[in-house]
Amino acid sequence: DTGVSQDPRHKITKRGQNVTFRCDPISEHNRLYWYRQTLGQGPEFLTYFQNEAQLEKSRLLSDRFSAERPKGSFSTLEIQRTEQGDSAMYLCASSSQGAGGYTFGSGTRLTVV
Amino acid sequence: TQLLEQSPQFLSIQEGENLTVYCNSSSVFSSLQWYRQEPGEGPVLLVTVVTGGEVKKLKRLTFQFGDARKDSSLHITAAQPGDTGLYLCAGPNNYGQNFVFGPGTRLSVLP
Repeated sequence: DTGVSQDPRHKITKRGQNVTFRCDPISEHNRLYWYRQTLGQGPEFLTYFQNEAQLEKSRLLSDRFSAERPKGSFSTLEIQRTEQGDSAMYLCASSSQGAGGYTFGSGTRLTVV
Repeated sequence: TQLLEQSPQFLSIQEGENLTVYCNSSSVFSSLQWYRQEPGEGPVLLVTVVTGGEVKKLKRLTFQFGDARKDSSLHITAAQPGDTGLYLCAGPNNYGQNFVFGPGTRLSVLP
């Protein structure tokens, strides 16, 4: 296991379309996080899973966003009816309970045109 | 809401110079982390500081956690072009199980 994998790396979509991103965490990590990062800013928390349970959701996560982590392994983040303001880098990270920090994936860069 | 501020926002220096970047908050953090992020990639964890006053060294990088655990600094000695990137500090959110990130310092080291 070489790290956190995210797919796709880049996605260009038209406004109003739905998109889905996938994250494969480090297999031993039971915690998985989604963050969003816009240009010139630090990552902003979106949601957190411990195993298959979604334990936290940010107010940034509007009704158009949904995340799942079936079976506590990979996770998906879906954005419905995309808007130009959704254009950002979507980062996935994983960690072990009690560990000091995150291991991030390379991110999915979403451009809504 | 816990906020982390970082300064300077941008820094451009010549290879071989020394520099210090700062991470500050009005809130107390149980620990702080520093990450480096290169364009088009995710952040990579550099260090975690836990004890007030703690100093950690990672080759040419020296990290310090303030005595009151509200601030931290990163000092780079003899900067190299490979040090170029966005330096982010982050701390655990007292109100959740996630980490709060600062906006970052974008460092450019020119050869």
